[in-house]
Amino acid sequence: GAVVSQHPSRVICKSGTSVKIECRSLDFQATTMFWYRQFPKQSLMLMATSNEGSKATYEQGVEKDKFLINHASLTLSTLTVTSAHPEDSSFYICSARRPAGDLNTGELFFGEGSRLTVL
Amino acid sequence: GQQVMQIPQYQHVQEGEDFTTYCNSSTTLSNIQWYKQRPGGHPVFLIQLVKSGEVKKQKRLTFQFGEAKKNSSLHITATQTTDVGTYFCAGRAGSGNTGKLIFGQGTTLQVKP
Repeated sequence: GAVVSQHPSRVICKSGTSVKIECRSLDFQATTMFWYRQFPKQSLMLMATSNEGSKATYEQGVEKDKFLINHASLTLSTLTVTSAHPEDSSFYICSARRPAGDLNTGELFFGEGSRLTVL
Repeated sequence: GQQVMQIPQYQHVQEGEDFTTYCNSSTTLSNIQWYKQRPGGHPVFLIQLVKSGEVKKQKRLTFQFGEAKKNSSLHITATQTTDVGTYFCAGRAGSGNTGKLIFGQGTTLQVKP
């Protein structure tokens, strides 16, 4: 079954509204989660690293006030696209990594993704 | 900054033919991972390579990590229609599993039955 769950899978909103996307780690406590944006037929662009209990680390060129990230618990990170515009339409995916010290390969577990369409 | 380049961008093969995608990093990597994303789906982890010159196999898939730890390849023998999807490499600089993963552009594989 899914290790990381993302909701909603699809959302359509009007320009100027805000949209919240949730990413939940179901199988382990994730102190770090990652948010990506993927355009059609393109690669995963890392937007930010979400850190539990502290501020997110944003990649160069990503507006902090536009893409609000909150990681309030060890199993939940949220991405809010504020005042969305049509150019924000994209596929947003989160991922989580098992905590260090576990017998793991450092692999990322991805959520199912959220397709945002801004009209 | 660190860049990970992946070629080709697209590949169409006849079922039964082999397929290879190549990944090159601008910097030396601590490890490299490969993911597969089916159409409409999300990336799923395939494997991680850590050692210089490492070769790992998963059934018809062969993964290699270059001696200089700056390039990698994924080779699929005798492709099947179930192999359809986009294959991403993701390279990590720094040490261990703590550095940032940088994804390549991906290679989209189409298999004609």
